[in-house]
Amino acid sequence: EVQLVESGGGLVQPGGSLRLACSASGFTFSGYWMTWVRQAPGKGLEWVANIMKDGGHKQYVDSVKGRFTISRDNAKNSLYLQMNSLRVEDTAVYYCARDLDYYVLDCWGQGTLVTVSS
Amino acid sequence: QSALTQPPSASGSPGQSVTISCTGASSDVGGYNYVSWYQQHPGKAPKLLIYEVSKRPSGIPDRFSGSKSGNTASLTVSGLQAEDEADYYCNSYAGINNVVFGGGTKLTVL
Repeated sequence: EVQLVESGGGLVQPGGSLRLACSASGFTFSGYWMTWVRQAPGKGLEWVANIMKDGGHKQYVDSVKGRFTISRDNAKNSLYLQMNSLRVEDTAVYYCARDLDYYVLDCWGQGTLVTVSS
Repeated sequence: QSALTQPPSASGSPGQSVTISCTGASSDVGGYNYVSWYQQHPGKAPKLLIYEVSKRPSGIPDRFSGSKSGNTASLTVSGLQAEDEADYYCNSYAGINNVVFGGGTKLTVL
């Protein structure tokens, strides 16, 4: 069974940092692009970042460029999102998702809540 | 890149059909056949319903169908059931390094 499990969310003050992790199982992790998508409370989905199969290419939404870093460890079947200089507007549930290409997200984790507040 | 436009709400009675639209531009929906639709129940993760405009992943009932005309994609839910009450989102490939999501539509089964 394909499964994605996020961890690492929590409460952090503005300007702080947090590292999210996504553990994958049930499929060949290194064979897929992977994506982070977030959803602010009561709002819609927002694509945040994605990373190529071998980690060689990464893309970010403009609002997180220079602050967030996506990475992966194929040996550990894990995806990461390092979030620095966090802002109140980064408060959201963060989902990791498997990308079939062309941003078709066919498998999602259960999400992890990040709350940025003083 | 602007978000895709979806109606905030839609509704139908059990057994009826309802169609949700997703309007973009020639640079996204109209330019590529890479429109996907997702269903999200409250407190749950999104679930892929439709990809590449009209294809269904394994396990998705054929009550769910997708289509596209020009810059507008549509999701039709036929034979509405109570469990179809959820939020629905579209997204579209918009060129290299670019994706856009719709704002979401809340479907109510009356």
